[in-house]
Parts: sequence; C-alpha cells; structure tokens
Amino acid sequence: GQNIDQPTEMTATEGAIVQINCTYQTSGFNGLFWYQQHAGEAPTFLSYNVLDGLEEKGRFSSFLSRSKGYSYLLLKELQMKDSASYLCAVRDSNYQLIWGAGTKLIIKP
Amino acid sequence: SQTIHQWPATLVQPVGSPLSLECTVEGTSNPNLYWYRQAAGRGLQLLFYSVGIGQISSEVPQNLSASRPQDRQFILSSKKLLLSDSGFYLCAWSKMGASGANVLTFGAGSRLTVL
Repeated sequence: GQNIDQPTEMTATEGAIVQINCTYQTSGFNGLFWYQQHAGEAPTFLSYNVLDGLEEKGRFSSFLSRSKGYSYLLLKELQMKDSASYLCAVRDSNYQLIWGAGTKLIIKP
Repeated sequence: SQTIHQWPATLVQPVGSPLSLECTVEGTSNPNLYWYRQAAGRGLQLLFYSVGIGQISSEVPQNLSASRPQDRQFILSSKKLLLSDSGFYLCAWSKMGASGANVLTFGAGSRLTVL
C-alpha cells in the first residue's frame, strides 16, 4: 500500500529552527508537496519538489531525496504565526495525491 | 486572479437529512475540481474529482455524491446523512492536466456535524 509518515506533533521555540520530516512509500513518484494549515482553515501551498535537493523560499526550505523516499521542511526564525499543521503529500504514478496526516507544530515564546 | 468560494462554512444536520455543499471557482476555465474530507489525525481523503462538466470520478464508496453542472461549479450531496459523515469538507481546484507543480488551491472548508 501507499504510505506517508510524518511526526504527529512537534514543539519549538520562537526564533529557533525546526525540521519536519516526511517519509513516503508510494506507487511511483511525480512530485512532493508541503502545505500549511492553520487550525480550522484550509491548507495553503508552501513548496513543491520533484528533483533531489533543496528548494529555498524565504524562511522556509524543502529538501527531497527520491532514493531515500524522504523529504523535510525546514522553518527558520520561527514566529508565533508559524504555529500550524504541516502536511506532506506525494503525487504517485497515477498523478493522485497521497496525503500524510500532518505534523502539528507548536511554537512557544 | 483566481478565487474559490465554498459554502456553507458550518452546518449542523440531523442523521438522515440531506446535504448540499457548493463550490465555485472564478478567474479560470476548465479547472480540475476536487472534494476532500479531513478527519482529525488523518490525511486528506479524496472523495471526488472532476476534469470537466458532468465528469465525476469517485474515490471512496459512500453515501455521498458529487455533480458538476457548470464548468466552475462543483456540488457535494447526500440524500441521507450518517453520523460518520461528520468532518471538515474541502473543495479544491487545480489547472487542467497533471504535469508540473499543478498546485491545489483549497476553499475555506465546510465543517459538518451530524447529530
């Protein structure tokens, strides 16, 4: 079967750096997405990786290793507004998105 | 720019009652449209997707149905709600085709509680 694993919850301190990991086992691979979802709201797109390596976008970076079935989202200079759930999703060989359950990130002052 | 509208935002319905959630997209044509359900602690579950008017693909057998009467309108319905239908329903759109990033953009969501 297809599977996406992420930690359920993480805690970090304002101003610090946090890395949220995502491992996947899917039928084929056509890209990996990270979305941010604040409580009670819709997910919003953060990043897309289809080739190995690091994609940087401001305070957020996303890394992909296709051979290891692994990605991480790196958040720098954490702010209280970064408290949210972070969803990892992989597009499989049928171009269907497989979603992880999300990682709830709690930022403490 | 493109916008997606979804309503109602919140609803409480008795078991056995009907359901209709509506979603419309503005500023684009021929979008791919999706209905997802999100349960606490679980990943987004794709319920239906549509690549064109009247073309609906169902991913999960259930008592829900979807329709696409117009290019940018997507409706989720049920004739008789079950307790297990409670959840957070999200409509989403993406550009036609599956290549490239083809990012999903979500509506604000509809929180359904079945009592």
